[in-house]
Amino acid sequence: GAVVSQHPSWVICKSGTSVKIECRSLDFQATTMFWYRQFPKQSLMLMATSNEGSKATYEQGVEKDKFLINHASLTLSTLTVTSAHPEDSSFYICSASPLGRMNTEAFFGQGTRLTVV
Amino acid sequence: AQTVTQSQPEMSVQEAETVTLSCTYDTSENNYYLFWYKQPPSRQMILVIRQEAYKQQNATENRFSVNFQKAAKSFSLKISDSQLGDTAMYFCAFKLLTGTASKLTFGTGTRLQVTL
Repeated sequence: GAVVSQHPSWVICKSGTSVKIECRSLDFQATTMFWYRQFPKQSLMLMATSNEGSKATYEQGVEKDKFLINHASLTLSTLTVTSAHPEDSSFYICSASPLGRMNTEAFFGQGTRLTVV
Repeated sequence: AQTVTQSQPEMSVQEAETVTLSCTYDTSENNYYLFWYKQPPSRQMILVIRQEAYKQQNATENRFSVNFQKAAKSFSLKISDSQLGDTAMYFCAFKLLTGTASKLTFGTGTRLQVTL
């Protein structure tokens, strides 16, 4: 099956600093990737849709200046949490679907646990 | 907008028994996919089963099967011969059928515990 790799798996950063999370599709190309956030014992909430070569689309209530998304190639999307605060601590998950299979299945990265201290 | 509801926060089943997880959804669209995803303690999301809304036949994947009732907007998951490795969070998800990639809308999840 298709593989999506997310890096890092976990990160601890100080308040006020920025953290970059990478999402790579290893064996397929994806024009669109999705970024989700999951709080403990809760469901996945879509934060934004990352579009290759164009601006990301953010869900209502998500600050686009705080969560910067760059989809520079057909295999890589990055999420940068800027000026992180403890309330940004969460589990972030990306997903992508291969071109031609965009409706049938989404493949997920292993997630990134962010802790802001 | 689409919504997905899972009314069972937690379920428990004994090994080798059968359990059914409930899911209902709301949409005004006619063409969509429904999914069940499993999230074990590792937190890796794993696809369990998929159902195309235009298909009347219920999807089956080995020990996993669904009961898809389109008119009732119900999509339950039945796990037969439960195994300890089935212990996980299970999320029901909805996806519109479009010409491009579309987002998944998840339910709140059901935590399934398989016991000896």
